[in-house]
Amino acid sequence: DVKVTQSSRYLVKRTGEKVFLECVQDMDHENMFWYRQDPGLGLRLIYFSYDVKMKEKGDIPEGYSVSREKKERFSLILESASTNQTSMYLCASSSGLAGLHEQFFGPGTRLTVL
Amino acid sequence: GQSLEQPSEVTAVEGAIVQINCTYQTSGFYGLSWYQQHDGGAPTFLSYNALDGLEETGRFSSFLSRSDSYGYLLLQELQMKDSASYFCAVRDPSGGYQKVTFGTGTKLQVIP
Repeated sequence: DVKVTQSSRYLVKRTGEKVFLECVQDMDHENMFWYRQDPGLGLRLIYFSYDVKMKEKGDIPEGYSVSREKKERFSLILESASTNQTSMYLCASSSGLAGLHEQFFGPGTRLTVL
Repeated sequence: GQSLEQPSEVTAVEGAIVQINCTYQTSGFYGLSWYQQHDGGAPTFLSYNALDGLEETGRFSSFLSRSDSYGYLLLQELQMKDSASYFCAVRDPSGGYQKVTFGTGTKLQVIP
């Protein structure tokens, strides 16, 4: 069974803290993605990666960075958390260019920044 | 830029048929996907249309008209468990690489 896991389901952090969100997939997928989901705004792409050590900015990369040192792991970093980064964060993966449209999502991390 | 429009909410009766529309404006287009997301759950992939026409998968069908920049998801024989949010997503090659842009989602409520 295809599986994408995220390090935490719920996370509470203080303004200014550095926050790491981890995502691991066990499907040997080339592509990995980070989205944030907010009511009424749908899923917005933060960053994505086509390969190890490769990354591309999505639609809302400001305030975020990513790291992909191994194929199965894609990390999202909030360098200095702010209250407007309170959101649901979803990680996804997909197989190659042909499978780009079929993404497998993790359960999400609900981050609250106080 | 890219934009996708879907109705924000739809209500339908159990056993009926419902259609969720999606119109898109993108600088490039490779295909239209549909995802389902139950409250508190992760989005799950339902279907993908790269060519015009209707694709059927059980009770769910998806349609695409590239000339009209329009697609829809058709759910037949509605069941209470179909109550969820449904997102359309466009596979878009703009910016020199391909990515997927999601719509804002349609919340479907199935009532008895």
